[in-house]
Amino acid sequence: QMQLVQSGPEVKKPGTSVKVSCKASGFSFTSSAMQWVRQARGQRLEWIGWIVVGSGNTNYAQKFQKRVTITRDMSTSTAYMELSSLRSEDTAVYYCAALSGYSYGYKYWGQGTLVTVSS
Amino acid sequence: DIQMTQSPSSLSASVGDRVTITCQASQDITNYLNWYQQKPGKAPKLLIYDASNVETGVPSRFSGSGSGTDFTFTISSLQPEDIATYYCQQYDNLLFTFGPGTKVEIK
Repeated sequence: QMQLVQSGPEVKKPGTSVKVSCKASGFSFTSSAMQWVRQARGQRLEWIGWIVVGSGNTNYAQKFQKRVTITRDMSTSTAYMELSSLRSEDTAVYYCAALSGYSYGYKYWGQGTLVTVSS
Repeated sequence: DIQMTQSPSSLSASVGDRVTITCQASQDITNYLNWYQQKPGKAPKLLIYDASNVETGVPSRFSGSGSGTDFTFTISSLQPEDIATYYCQQYDNLLFTFGPGTKVEIK
């Protein structure tokens, strides 16, 4: 079945970077698009950006434009989200999600990765 | 970037009640509007895509409507398992944005 499995929790120091992975299985990774979303504890969902896997084209929310890079490795069906210059406000659960394939709705979601930024 | 507003921010209703949530975009997004359900500690679940299409496997009590800037999400008969936060998400010009969410509770 279609599945997205994310990497494990991370604890990072302020000013450093984190790279979260999202491995896809059970569907055509190369034909898909993946978004990254985050959610601080008790807060709303926040859209970070997305990648069209086949072309590698990316688009980012203005808020994250200067600090985020989304990439993919088609040989391993894995997408990555790297966030740099971390600060305490970046502490959140980060989710990857894949489009359904017939709409711009994200049907398949990873389990989430908790990133904690603390000195 | 397009901004999304949702109302109400929270609501309390009885089992069997009809529940309506609205979502407004800051500019015309045609019908590129999704609705998600998120339960505590879980990833969001896609319920509605393209404003009014119910995702496969989603109960028929969930529906959506609207186009342009104004959209509505409805639960025709609220069930205990529908307790969650509901988010709209728009797509326009290669970017996505979520609404602030509506928390639905049982009275």
